[in-house]
Amino acid sequence: EVQLVESGGGLVQPGGSLRLSCAASGFTFSSYWMSWVRQAPGKGLEWVANIKQDGSEKYYVDSVKGRFTISRDNAKNSLYLQMNSLRAEDTAVYYCVCSGYYGYYFDYWGQGTLVTVSS
Amino acid sequence: AIRITQSPSSLSASTGDRVTITCRASQGISSYLAWYQQKPGKAPKLLIYAASTLQSGVPSRFSGSGSGTDFTLTISCLQSEDFATYYCQQYYSYPWTFGQGTKVEIK
Repeated sequence: EVQLVESGGGLVQPGGSLRLSCAASGFTFSSYWMSWVRQAPGKGLEWVANIKQDGSEKYYVDSVKGRFTISRDNAKNSLYLQMNSLRAEDTAVYYCVCSGYYGYYFDYWGQGTLVTVSS
Repeated sequence: AIRITQSPSSLSASTGDRVTITCRASQGISSYLAWYQQKPGKAPKLLIYAASTLQSGVPSRFSGSGSGTDFTLTISCLQSEDFATYYCQQYYSYPWTFGQGTKVEIK
């Protein structure tokens, strides 16, 4: 059974940093693109970033470029999102998502971790 | 970025009804479109990819159609467990973008 378990969310002040982690199990982690998708409270879904199987390609939505960094450790079956210079508009539930062989769509989702940016 | 306009934003329907949700892309995206279902407090679930391919395990009452700019998700016979919010997503070009969502409520 595919399991994706996020951690690292919480309350942070504007301008602060946070690192999200995602522990994957039940599938061959190194064979798939991985993504982060977020959802602000009461709002729709927004793709944030994704990373290729070997980490050689990474893509970001414009609003987080230069502030967020996606990374992975295939030896640890783990995905990360380093978030710096956080803003109030980054407040959301962040989902870790397995996005298949090509990174196109979102096959399997974690339960999400809430990030709140507020003073 | 490609904009996805989803309609309606909400609808009320009864069990057994046929329901149709539409997504329109701001430019042609071939068949690079997926559909998701999200229930309150839960993560989304992939229903359909490549505009019309049903994800494994998804009931056959769900179907998708369209290509280019106009796409449709149809639920042929609405069941109680189908009351949820539905999103479409394009993966033709980065950044991947979603429609605003359609909430399907009980009439």
